[in-house]
Amino acid sequence: QVQLVESGGGVVQPGRSLRLSCAASGFTFSSYSMHWVRQAPGKGLEWVALISYDGTNKYFADSVKGRFTISRDNSKSTLYLQMNSLRADDTAVFYCARDPSRFGDYGYADYWGQGTLVTVSS
Amino acid sequence: DIQMTQSPSSLSASVGDRVTITCRASQDISSYLNWYQQRPGRAPKLLIYTASTLQSGVDSRFSGSGSGTDFTLAISSLQPEDFATYYCQQTDSFPLTFGGGTKVEIK
Repeated sequence: QVQLVESGGGVVQPGRSLRLSCAASGFTFSSYSMHWVRQAPGKGLEWVALISYDGTNKYFADSVKGRFTISRDNSKSTLYLQMNSLRADDTAVFYCARDPSRFGDYGYADYWGQGTLVTVSS
Repeated sequence: DIQMTQSPSSLSASVGDRVTITCRASQDISSYLNWYQQRPGRAPKLLIYTASTLQSGVDSRFSGSGSGTDFTLAISSLQPEDFATYYCQQTDSFPLTFGGGTKVEIK
C-alpha cells in the first residue's frame, strides 16, 4: 500500500536551515508529482510546493519562494524540502503528499504522510 | 492568487443530519475544486476531486457540486466519524490555495 513517511522536523532557530525528507513506498515514485503542504498549530492547510515526476517543473507558494527548495531522488524514492532563512511563522506540521499526475496538472493530493513538526524558535 | 472562502467556519449537527458546506472562489476556476476531510491529529484525506468526482473508497454519502466560483460539499446523513474539519482547494492555477476550513461538531 502507498506509504509516505516524513522526517527531519525539529526545533530550529530563526534564520537557520532545515531539510525535510519524505520516504515513499508502495507505488512507482518516479511516475508521480509530489507536494509539500503545511499546517500551523491550530490553523488551516497551506500548500507549499510541488515538483513534477522528473524534477523539471517546480512551483512554490509566495510565502516560501526564494527560501524553500523542493527536490527529489527517484533512485531513493525520496522527496525533499530544503528550508532556509526560517522564520517563526514557518512553524507548522509539514506533510508530503502524492499528486496522481506526472506534472502536477491535477493538483490534488490523493495520499498523505503523517507529517513532521517544524518549530522555529529561539 | 485565487482566494477560497468557506462557509460556515463551523457548524453543529446531529448524527443523521444532512450537512452542506460551501466554498467560493475569488475568480472562475471551472471545476478545479477538491474537498478534503481532516480528523483531529490526522493527515487530510481526499474526498472529492474536480468538484464532483468521489475519490475511490469514499462513502457515497459525500457528494460535491458546483462550477465556476461556487461549490458545495454535502453529507447526506452525518455519521459519527464525519465530525471533522473540511477544506476546499482550488487547482485551477498556481499557487494552489485552500479554503479556511469548516469544522463540523456534534450538537
